[in-house]
Amino acid sequence: EAQVTQNPRYLITVTGKKLTVTCSQNMNHEYMSWYRQDPGLGLRQIYYSMNVEVTDKGDVPEGYKVSRKEKRNFPLILESPSPNQTSLYFCASTERTGTRSNEQFFGPGTRLTVL
Amino acid sequence: QKEVEQDPGPLSVPEGAIVSLNCTYSNSAFQYFMWYRQYSRKGPELLMYTYSSGNKEDGRFTAQVDKSSKYISLFIRDSQPSDSATYLCAMSATGGFKTIFGAGTRLFVKA
Repeated sequence: EAQVTQNPRYLITVTGKKLTVTCSQNMNHEYMSWYRQDPGLGLRQIYYSMNVEVTDKGDVPEGYKVSRKEKRNFPLILESPSPNQTSLYFCASTERTGTRSNEQFFGPGTRLTVL
Repeated sequence: QKEVEQDPGPLSVPEGAIVSLNCTYSNSAFQYFMWYRQYSRKGPELLMYTYSSGNKEDGRFTAQVDKSSKYISLFIRDSQPSDSATYLCAMSATGGFKTIFGAGTRLFVKA
């Protein structure tokens, strides 16, 4: 089954404790992206990756890091989480730009709470 | 001013009603216009897309884009309780990966 998986689905942590949210896709997609979703603000892009070892900042990159060492994986790293990073996070992948509306396939989401 | 504006609702309608969902935008470079549907505790899924201006119909769903007014709409005919979800508009410039999402409109269809 074609899918994007994220782990963990739920995470409660404390300020300053480094964490990683994993993302993996099995569709051989070139492009992957991380979003955060907050009430009233919709989905905001954190980082995206156009291929292995190629990443770039989205609209809200502060406090986050990413890496793309393999095509299928795109982990999101919070080196020193703060309470304002409490949010619902989504990973997404897309085949490539210019095809079928740049359709993005989303993972199930990770709900992060930083105390 | 946000690049994409969308009324968050909630919007509550009786079963069978025609639903109209709308977004406005400010960036004239947008060429791809999408509607994603998000059920509770799930990731968004692509529902409809339109390239440039015009209408597109798929079953009970119709997407309209008016680039001159920078306004897009999604119409749902004969709405069903299973249509209850959050609907997010999304836009992207030609050939670009970067997609801008609206805040989403929460829709409730009452049986």
